[in-house]
Amino acid sequence: DAGVIQSPRHEVTEMGQEVTLRCKPISGHNSLFWYRQTMMRGLELLIYFNNNVPIDDSGMPEDRFSAKMPNASFSTLKIQPSEPRDSAVYFCASSLDSTGTSGGVFGPGTRLTVL
Amino acid sequence: QKEVEQDPGPLSVPEGAIVSLNCTYSNSAFQYFMWYRQYSRKGPELLMYTYSSGNKEDGRFTAQVDKSSKYISLFIRDSQPSDSATYLCAMTAGANSKLTFGKGITLSVRP
Repeated sequence: DAGVIQSPRHEVTEMGQEVTLRCKPISGHNSLFWYRQTMMRGLELLIYFNNNVPIDDSGMPEDRFSAKMPNASFSTLKIQPSEPRDSAVYFCASSLDSTGTSGGVFGPGTRLTVL
Repeated sequence: QKEVEQDPGPLSVPEGAIVSLNCTYSNSAFQYFMWYRQYSRKGPELLMYTYSSGNKEDGRFTAQVDKSSKYISLFIRDSQPSDSATYLCAMTAGANSKLTFGKGITLSVRP
């Protein structure tokens, strides 16, 4: 099993640019989570999907952030326009647990730097 | 008051020591409690998962939940250099409820 796959692993962009982060969950997992980790705020849940449907997006910081899950094997997190304060490590996680109580198996993360 | 508070550390102990990591929380609705381990530049991995109060043991690791005090702990016995990592507590009220993390504590086990 390849685990959760995220791309790109590193992204450096300039303020105002659109950023798209990608995630392939573990096959068979029906829950998917997007997290953001910074030194200041720690690890925060941004959005949680179950069976491709967004269940809780209360952690999405503002309208510049959007997430989609068009099918069971792919999800994107988009930031448009990006700002320097969006610099963080973004993790995707997936889980067999449909209740969302276990947090999931984490991917390696995408390290985003917005200049 | 933050929903979940975790000692910021860092914590440094000699090999073989017993380590105690703790989190407190304010939301009495929390029912599911987790500990994650995160190595440098890696994603967190689930270490322990418990429901409600009580103890759970897995090898050298013991997770303890005291809901009356709103306090959870992770004990590591016979700590090893390979245990050096950041440990995060996490908790949620239940199905489809938001998972809330502590900020994590970095543990260093000296050979």
